[in-house]
Order: sequence, then C-alpha cells, then structure tokens
Amino acid sequence: QSALTQPRSVSGSPGQSVTISCTGTSSDVGGYNYVSWYQQHPGKAPKLMIYDVSKRPSGVPDRFSGSKSGNTASLTISGLQAEDEADYYCCSYAGSYTFQVFGTGTKVTVL
Amino acid sequence: QLQLQESGPGLVKPSETLSLTCTVSGGSISSSSYYWGWIRQPPGKGLEWIGSIYYSGSTYYNPSLKSRVTISVDTSKNQFSLKLSSVTAADTAVYYCARQTAGPRTAVVVIPVWFDPWGQGTLVTVSS
Repeated sequence: QSALTQPRSVSGSPGQSVTISCTGTSSDVGGYNYVSWYQQHPGKAPKLMIYDVSKRPSGVPDRFSGSKSGNTASLTISGLQAEDEADYYCCSYAGSYTFQVFGTGTKVTVL
Repeated sequence: QLQLQESGPGLVKPSETLSLTCTVSGGSISSSSYYWGWIRQPPGKGLEWIGSIYYSGSTYYNPSLKSRVTISVDTSKNQFSLKLSSVTAADTAVYYCARQTAGPRTAVVVIPVWFDPWGQGTLVTVSS
C-alpha cells in the first residue's frame, strides 16, 4: 500500500493562493469521490478541512476549497493567512482491501 | 459534542503487545452511521491509517499491519480498542483514535469516508 504523493512543502505570502496536490491511482483518488483533507498544527491532532473531494464542514473558512481531476486531488487555500501555516494531509478511500490511504503530507509556510 | 480520548501505556517493550483504548463521550458508539478508526504518526513523519471497525464489529486493517493488529469494540463502555503485537522501535508513534463517517453501502462494504472528530493523540514509545 503506497501513500498518496504530496509535495513536501509549499509557501506563499499573506493574501496569496497556494494549491497542494495529492496524486494517487485509479484504485484510490481516481476511482472514488471520497477524498478528504486535514490540517495539522504542531503538537495538535489533525482537523478535517474538506470531505468528499470538495465539501467544507461547518466552521471551515470558505478560502479552503477542494477539487479533483483524474488521479490527482487538490486543496487550494485562497487569501492565505498566518494561521494557515500547518501541515496538510489528503486521504482517500482505496477499495475494500486497502480501504484507506493517507498522503505524504505538505508543509504550508506563510512567508 | 462528541469527544474521543485515547488511553494506555506510554512505554512498551520490544516484542510485546501495545494496547490502547479510545473512550467516546457525547454520543453512542453503536451507530450504523460510523466507523471507529486508529491512525498513527511516527515522530516527525506523516499519518498512517492502522484500521477501522464498523458498529457491527466488521474490521478493516492496513494490509501492511494486518498480521499484528486487532481492533475491537465494547459497546457497554462506549469504547473501542487497539492491540498491536510484536512491536519494534518502528512502532513508536503518536496514536490517534477518530470517528469515521460511513458512506454508501456497496455489495462488499460500507464505504468509509472522512475522519472527524479526532482524539488528542497519545505517544507510545517502544523501548527496553
């Protein structure tokens, strides 16, 4: 079972937009619309930011958005703010055998 | 508001069995709407799904850990548990429990979707 591939780091200035990619295969990301994204600040538990590829839970700012094309899902943070500096992980359903797979994680730095 | 809390030994000796419990408060563990999962994170590394259990008792494990993992549920205590046998230093990690929403039912499985909420996590160190 291989982890989904994410860039190690992305950065942007306050107010800018950044996009994090999450690349899998047709057996996970490409095969199902069950991709979720999590934000993790240092020493804290992950927090759900996006589910079902593009849906936002209540309380998550609308500057966070998700999408998918083929085997790659993406998380975009628009209007970057200092508090968005954190690690971000994608996760996908991967069929009835592998079941669940996380991405490798991306560190977002606000310059 | 649903809350989850992990508990268990913070230090386990190599070759022994790691045992953790997740206590769920603010809601029932016996709901067809949810799975209950374990995820771990080695120091400085990424998240790894360990396994999940459905309210019915059906279990699903990470294929790379399957031979060593057992997840069970105790509905009378509103708890679910993780056992990981034959541990090594590579099993040193922060272990999280989380509720996982159950999605559509297929012929084979009820598809698990997102994890929310999560427990605060507990660090387990494997060392002699």
